[in-house]
Amino acid sequence: SQKIEQNSEALNIQEGKTATLTCNYTNYSPAYLQWYRQDPGRGPVFLLLIRENEKEKRKERLKVTFDTTLKQSLFHITASQPADSATYLCALDSKGFYMLTFGGGTRLMVKP
Amino acid sequence: DTGVSQDPRHKITKRGQNVTFRCDPISEHNRLYWYRQTLGQGPEFLTYFQNEAQLEKSRLLSDRFSAERPKGSFSTLEIQRTEQGDSAMYLCASSADEKLFFGSGTQLSVL
Repeated sequence: SQKIEQNSEALNIQEGKTATLTCNYTNYSPAYLQWYRQDPGRGPVFLLLIRENEKEKRKERLKVTFDTTLKQSLFHITASQPADSATYLCALDSKGFYMLTFGGGTRLMVKP
Repeated sequence: DTGVSQDPRHKITKRGQNVTFRCDPISEHNRLYWYRQTLGQGPEFLTYFQNEAQLEKSRLLSDRFSAERPKGSFSTLEIQRTEQGDSAMYLCASSADEKLFFGSGTQLSVL
């Protein structure tokens, strides 16, 4: 069966360090993978999209890698700040109809 | 504000009642999605419209759930004969390409 797995345990890091979150998937052949941020009581907010033929994508302090052989994406936040504290969700397309399936999310806590 | 708007933000209902939620997408977006999210989980896909056509509804949780998007503008999600297990956040999203723009959701509590 299809699965998208993110670490369900919260990730606690110190301000200024790099946070690395993992997204693993099975039985998908996605054309792209997306990362979203979600704050409590709010809807997810789009951060980055990486396509299957791209290895890495960057946006300001964010970096995403996509390894279709390992079926894994890594999401990095460099020079993390307390304001980066949130839940981060990865999502894959399925059926090619712009339908996104989300992982369970990983909660990031950045301590000052 | 030109984002996705959902109404109401919160809904408390008694088991067995019907509820309807409304979503107003970003005006130039032709795709509209409904997701459900329970505490500690990621959003779960329910259904999807392209303009007024409902292209995927097999993931609707039961026949008590239905959605419409008349004239390809706003959308409604109705849950009939609510059950306590329906308590969740119901999220609407719209898109013009691969990126989804979400509303703030409707938090449903079924007592």
